Amino acid sequence: QVQLQESGPGLVQPSETLSLTCTVSGASVGSGGYYWSWIRQAPGKGLEWLGYIYSSGPTKYNPALQSRVLMSLNTPKNQFSLKLYSVTAADTAVYYCARVDLVGVVLIADWGQGTLVTVSS
Amino acid sequence: DIQMSQSPSSLSASVGDRVTITCRASQGISNYLAWFQQRPGKAPKSLIYAASSLQSGVPSKFSGSGSGTDFTLTISSLEPEDFATYFCQQYYNYPHTFGGGTKVEIK
Repeated sequence: QVQLQESGPGLVQPSETLSLTCTVSGASVGSGGYYWSWIRQAPGKGLEWLGYIYSSGPTKYNPALQSRVLMSLNTPKNQFSLKLYSVTAADTAVYYCARVDLVGVVLIADWGQGTLVTVSS
Repeated sequence: DIQMSQSPSSLSASVGDRVTITCRASQGISNYLAWFQQRPGKAPKSLIYAASSLQSGVPSKFSGSGSGTDFTLTISSLEPEDFATYFCQQYYNYPHTFGGGTKVEIK
């Protein structure tokens, strides 16, 4: 059974870069045709899809964040990462990583527990 | 972006009750709709995909229906472990978007 665990700083300064890592066990990030995804939920708000990096490397980002986001794979460590540049208080949220298996209309998602990142000085 | 709206945003119900949650898309999404359950402090869990197909291991008390713009999630008989937040997600277009969630609380 796949398990995902987010890690990274819980506090980030405004205008700095938010960096999170998702460590995966029970599956290989570099194979299997999965969409390794990031989703966030700001306090009191709904969920926001940030984007994904596919097992073979292509990425797709939410246009609302396109200019500030970068996702990458680290296959030797079986991890994938999120970088969000030039953060503001609006980026304060619980960040989730997820493995998404999406083939046609079939979508199966396994999520991590989430990690709270606060943007504040 | 496709906007997803859920109603109600919260509800109170008793063990044994039948509960229905509605999700509406701002444009047609065929049946590209998923439902998730999130218990407090836990990772979201996939319940349903393709609007009405149960994920493996999900009990049959959960059911989904709908197509196009209007969808429902029904829990036929609430049990204590079902008190959680439920949210829908469309995956018809990118960016994938979520409903605001429905919190099911104990009456």
